[in-house]
Amino acid sequence: EVQLLESGGGLVQPGGSLRLSCTASGFTFSSYAMTWVRQAPGKGLEWVSAISGSGGNTYYADSVKGRFTISRDNSKNTLYLQMNSLRTEDTAIFYCANVVTGTGWASDYWGQGTLVTVSS
Amino acid sequence: QSALTQPPSASGSPGQSVTISCTGTSSDVGGYNYVSWYQQHPGKAPKLMIYQVSKRPSGVPDRFSGSKSGNTASLTVSGLQAEDEADYFCSSYAGRNNLVFGGGTKLTVL
Repeated sequence: EVQLLESGGGLVQPGGSLRLSCTASGFTFSSYAMTWVRQAPGKGLEWVSAISGSGGNTYYADSVKGRFTISRDNSKNTLYLQMNSLRTEDTAIFYCANVVTGTGWASDYWGQGTLVTVSS
Repeated sequence: QSALTQPPSASGSPGQSVTISCTGTSSDVGGYNYVSWYQQHPGKAPKLMIYQVSKRPSGVPDRFSGSKSGNTASLTVSGLQAEDEADYFCSSYAGRNNLVFGGGTKLTVL
């Protein structure tokens, strides 16, 4: 059974940093690109970042470029999102998800999400 | 990276059909056959219902279907059931390694 488990969310002050983790199981992690998608409270989904299976290619939404860094450790089946210079508008549930190859970044497995609250 | 446009709400009675639209531009929806649709129940993670405009992942009922015309994609739910009541989001590959989502549509089964 495929499982994705996010962790690392919490309350942080504006300007602060946080690192999210997503531990995967039930599939060959290194074979799949992975992505982070966030959802502000009561709002829609917003794509944040993606990374290739090898980790050699990374992609970011303009809203987080230069502040967030996506990475992965395939030996640990873990995806990361380092978030710096956090803003109140970054408050959201952050989901990690796989990227199904050849589908234009469709994701058929999602974690349950971790809540990041940026507030003073 | 402007969000795709979806109606905020849609509704139908059990057994009826409802169609939800998702309008983008020639740079996203109109430019690629990479539109996906997700269902999200309250407090739950999104679930992939349609990918590549009209393909259904295994396990998704064939009551769910997708299509596209020009810059607008559509999700049709036929034979509405109570459990179909949820939020639905479209997404599209937008080129240059970007993905864009719609604002979401709340589907109510009357």
